[in-house]
Amino acid sequence: ELKVEQNPLFLSMQEGKNYTIYCNYSTTSDRLYWYRQDPGKSLESLFVLLSNGAVKQEGRLMASLDTKARLSTLHITAAVHDLSATYFCAVDTGNQFYFGTGTSLTVIP
Amino acid sequence: EAGVAQSPRYKIIEKRQSVAFWCNPISGHATLYWYQQILGQGPKLLIQFQNNGVVDDSQLPKDRFSAERLKGVDSTLKIQPAKLEDSAVYLCASSLVFTPYGYTFGSGTRLTVV
Repeated sequence: ELKVEQNPLFLSMQEGKNYTIYCNYSTTSDRLYWYRQDPGKSLESLFVLLSNGAVKQEGRLMASLDTKARLSTLHITAAVHDLSATYFCAVDTGNQFYFGTGTSLTVIP
Repeated sequence: EAGVAQSPRYKIIEKRQSVAFWCNPISGHATLYWYQQILGQGPKLLIQFQNNGVVDDSQLPKDRFSAERLKGVDSTLKIQPAKLEDSAVYLCASSLVFTPYGYTFGSGTRLTVV
């Protein structure tokens, strides 16, 4: 069974600090997605990574994909309170998406 | 463009009762998905349609869950009878058939079974 593991599961960080969320998966895939979910809300697409070595940046968030290591990272630079949310990675096997366990991020002023 | 529409937003039912959820995907999106998201977990695929045909329903508990997409547009997901462990958010998503750009999710229906 395909596994998509994120760590950490919970992250509390101070404003202005940097941190990285990791997404490991157990199958071959060239497509990985990052989503954000606010409490009580649906999933919002953040990044689409479509090849090995892909790097995407939007504001204080940067995502990368290493398909050989089966690893994606979501790096947060100089965190602000508005980034508090749950972040999910999702692996596209070509048949369906498999979501990670999620990382609940809380940015503390 | 209009997003993926779902209703109702919230539903509270007693165990053993029946419930139905409705989803209208983005216009032109042939592929429609129903996901179950239990509190504290990532979404899990229940069923995938392409037009009005089922592509994957391997994780749908068919003894109590059913779904249809008769005209290849909107879809309904039904639970009959509901169990306590069915309490979750049910998310509908849609996409173009061959797209690398992922899915668009609806706002979800939060089901509480008491």
